[in-house]
Amino acid sequence: EAQVTQNPRYLITVTGKKLTVTCSQNMNHEYMSWYRQDPGLGLRQIYYSMNVEVTDKGDVPEGYKVSRKEKRNFPLILESPSPNQTSLYFCASSSQVWETQYFGPGTRLLVL
Amino acid sequence: DQQVKQNSPSLSVQEGRISILNCDYTNSMFDYFLWYKKYPAEGPTFLISISSIKDKNEDGRFTVFLNKSAKHLSLHIVPSQPGDSAVYFCAAYTGNQFYFGTGTSLTVIP
Repeated sequence: EAQVTQNPRYLITVTGKKLTVTCSQNMNHEYMSWYRQDPGLGLRQIYYSMNVEVTDKGDVPEGYKVSRKEKRNFPLILESPSPNQTSLYFCASSSQVWETQYFGPGTRLLVL
Repeated sequence: DQQVKQNSPSLSVQEGRISILNCDYTNSMFDYFLWYKKYPAEGPTFLISISSIKDKNEDGRFTVFLNKSAKHLSLHIVPSQPGDSAVYFCAAYTGNQFYFGTGTSLTVIP
């Protein structure tokens, strides 16, 4: 089944404790992206990747890192999480940047 | 600054009637527009899209209209069904990036 998977689905952590949210797709897609969804702000793009080893900042990249060492994986790294990073995070992928994006189920993060 | 805006947070419609969801944007460089539908506890799913060179695109019960001069996008759902109840996001694309609106929660009343 074609899908985008994210882990964990739910995470509670404390300020400053490094964490990684994994994202994997099995559709051989070139383009991958991370979004955060906040009330009243919709979805905002954090980082995107056009292909392996090619990543770029989206609208709200501060406090996040990403890597794209393999085509299928695009982890989101929070080196020192802060409470304002409490949010619902979505990973997405598409065969090309202008094609339909397929979203993962989301990761709900709470930073205390 | 929000470049894509959905000014109606919610909309209620009777089953069988038309649902019209609206979206406004500010960036004239947007060259591709999309609508996504989102159910609770799931990721958004693609619904329909339109290129900036067109003014209308249809797919079954869903039609998207684009008015470039007004920088306005709308999604029409006819007829509306209870299963259409969800949050709808419009999105715009330029420069390898996507910009989403804040969403409109549609409730279709049986």
